[in-house]
Amino acid sequence: QSALTQPASVSGSPGQSITISCTGTSSDVGGYNYVSWYQQHPGKAPKLMIYDVTNRPSGVSNRFSGSKSGNTASLTISGLQAEDEADYYCSSYTSSSTVVFGGGTKLTVL
Amino acid sequence: QVQLVQSGAEVKKPGASVKVSCKASGYSFIGQYMYWVRQAPGQGLEWMGWINPNSGGTNSAQKFQGRVTMTRDTSIRTAYMELSRLTSDDTAVYYCARVGHGESFEYWGQGTLVTVSS
Repeated sequence: QSALTQPASVSGSPGQSITISCTGTSSDVGGYNYVSWYQQHPGKAPKLMIYDVTNRPSGVSNRFSGSKSGNTASLTISGLQAEDEADYYCSSYTSSSTVVFGGGTKLTVL
Repeated sequence: QVQLVQSGAEVKKPGASVKVSCKASGYSFIGQYMYWVRQAPGQGLEWMGWINPNSGGTNSAQKFQGRVTMTRDTSIRTAYMELSRLTSDDTAVYYCARVGHGESFEYWGQGTLVTVSS
């Protein structure tokens, strides 16, 4: 199972919006609404930000939103804040009953 | 509140095995699958597999099949992941994570650093 494809890095200024893409296949992202997004700060465990493509867990800011079109899922962060600077990973359930992660995207807040 | 507390860091020689534990509290241990995910230094997340704490059934990524053993002890609410025939490529932080909605990982342990070095 190949990793999902994410851009290595994205950047934005405070207050702006950014979008991180996550491209898979019809056997994972495109075939199931089980895409999740995680935020990871250095030296910390990942934190769930979005599940089932569009849903936010309790306590996650509504500045974070998810969507999907075909084999590509996206995470959008609006009103960028300094604390959003972190690594972001997508994941998807697959037709092999496994889970595959994206390679990760480093978000820099300028 | 849900907590997953993992065992401490380990240093192993190539060819050895390592067993990492993950003690759960704050929810019904047998009610939710437990997953294992690892992260090599400076690298991304890698899904290893899961265990159904109720039945003991497991599933693992093809890459680890034959080398990984996931077990649990329901009496002490603890899941275990044992990886054998270690190489330097297995140097990583190993996380346990409890499943949430869909196939999301809602709660994570603090991570266990496993270093493989001769």
